[in-house]
Amino acid sequence: AQKVTQAQTEISVVEKEDVTLDCVYETRDTTYYLFWYKQPPSGELVFLIRRNSFDEQNEISGRYSWNFQKSTSSFNFTITASQVVDSAVYFCALSAQDSNYQLIWGAGTKLIIKP
Amino acid sequence: DAGVIQSPRHEVTEMGQEVTLRCKPISGHDYLFWYRQTMMRGLELLIYFNNNVPIDDSGMPEDRFSAKMPNASFSTLKIQPSEPRDSAVYFCASRTGTSGLDTQYFGPGTRLTVL
Repeated sequence: AQKVTQAQTEISVVEKEDVTLDCVYETRDTTYYLFWYKQPPSGELVFLIRRNSFDEQNEISGRYSWNFQKSTSSFNFTITASQVVDSAVYFCALSAQDSNYQLIWGAGTKLIIKP
Repeated sequence: DAGVIQSPRHEVTEMGQEVTLRCKPISGHDYLFWYRQTMMRGLELLIYFNNNVPIDDSGMPEDRFSAKMPNASFSTLKIQPSEPRDSAVYFCASRTGTSGLDTQYFGPGTRLTVL
């Protein structure tokens, strides 16, 4: 069975703090893909990053960074120097052949950045 | 390039009425997905199409729900008759390719309220 767990339901930090959103996944497939999406208060779902199972290099994009560790089946997302505009619900998702490459979604983590 | 387009953005209707939601995928994308998002159940895949053909409709909750894709640039999701429990945000997404490497891009969603 495939599953994505985002154990943190809600996180609240003060602006400029660093924050890490956790994502743990389960799959039997050896080839799979991991995604992060952002859903701001306006409601749209915005794609942030995609990673495949053969590429464990960490990725950095501005204040955003992602840590992919197959050994712990985790794909964590860190925001450095958080800003109020980062307030949103963040979803982690998994895509694998076992599910016909359909997205298996985590429950989401609501991130609140206080000024 | 235009993203996924959905209409209407908001729909308020009374129980028993027919509701039609519309989606225009990104040009060139051959997969189209309909999702429903509620607080209780999160993001649920309702149905998806490949090259205009429905592939998996196992997520469609009841016979009251139906979806069509008459051509590569248009899809509808219809609820007839609508019920208050259908109130949710309905997202349309599209992607190209046949592997999980390809990213789903989402429309802005339609917020449906059934009174």
